[in-house]
Amino acid sequence: SQQGEEDPQALSIQEGENATMNCSYKTSINNLQWYRQNSGRGLVHLILIRSNEREKHSGRLRVTLDTSKKSSSLLITASRAADTASYFCAMYNNNDMRFGAGTRLTVKP
Amino acid sequence: EAEVAQSPRYKITEKSQAVAFWCDPISGHATLYWYRQILGQGPELLVQFQDESVVDDSQLPKDRFSAERLKGVDSTLKIQPAELGDSAMYLCASRTGGSSYEQYFGPGTRLTVT
Repeated sequence: SQQGEEDPQALSIQEGENATMNCSYKTSINNLQWYRQNSGRGLVHLILIRSNEREKHSGRLRVTLDTSKKSSSLLITASRAADTASYFCAMYNNNDMRFGAGTRLTVKP
Repeated sequence: EAEVAQSPRYKITEKSQAVAFWCDPISGHATLYWYRQILGQGPELLVQFQDESVVDDSQLPKDRFSAERLKGVDSTLKIQPAELGDSAMYLCASRTGGSSYEQYFGPGTRLTVT
């Protein structure tokens, strides 16, 4: 069963704008990961944030984690058409990882 | 760059038939996962292997699904008999294990049961 909820379910923006996706979860975690999935393909790991971290950056990606609120956000800055994909958060706890339902991002050129 | 291989990429089968999927993880990756992803949803874990041993198969419908990783390398997931509700993407992923948590996914097998 899904262990996380993502918000929004779908997001449509113009190229160059920033995209923010949110993930809420219910159980404690060791780390939280974000993955991208292009249509009909496998998932690609983007970034991992540990439970003792609050913010992490990788290129145009910024991830925050608030363990008190059991929530995380993924920010993609200066979006490109190639960022069009589904984005999933994944909660890892004691050798068990569960995915959220995903946010479908569309970046219009 | 090493990749997780899966075959076939697409499979159409009639209900009540048997179907099998194959996965070859990245060399040296001890942990292997099979996920099922229904269109519009996130992946759901079916089974997790550590080397050749099953670590978690609590979500595997064992009356019809089976999975094996006999030599701790490649793996096969079987469905027998297939039902209409089994139509989904079946994803295989692997990771090195230990303190490395990133999972590497294959391209998936799209199953359609008619």
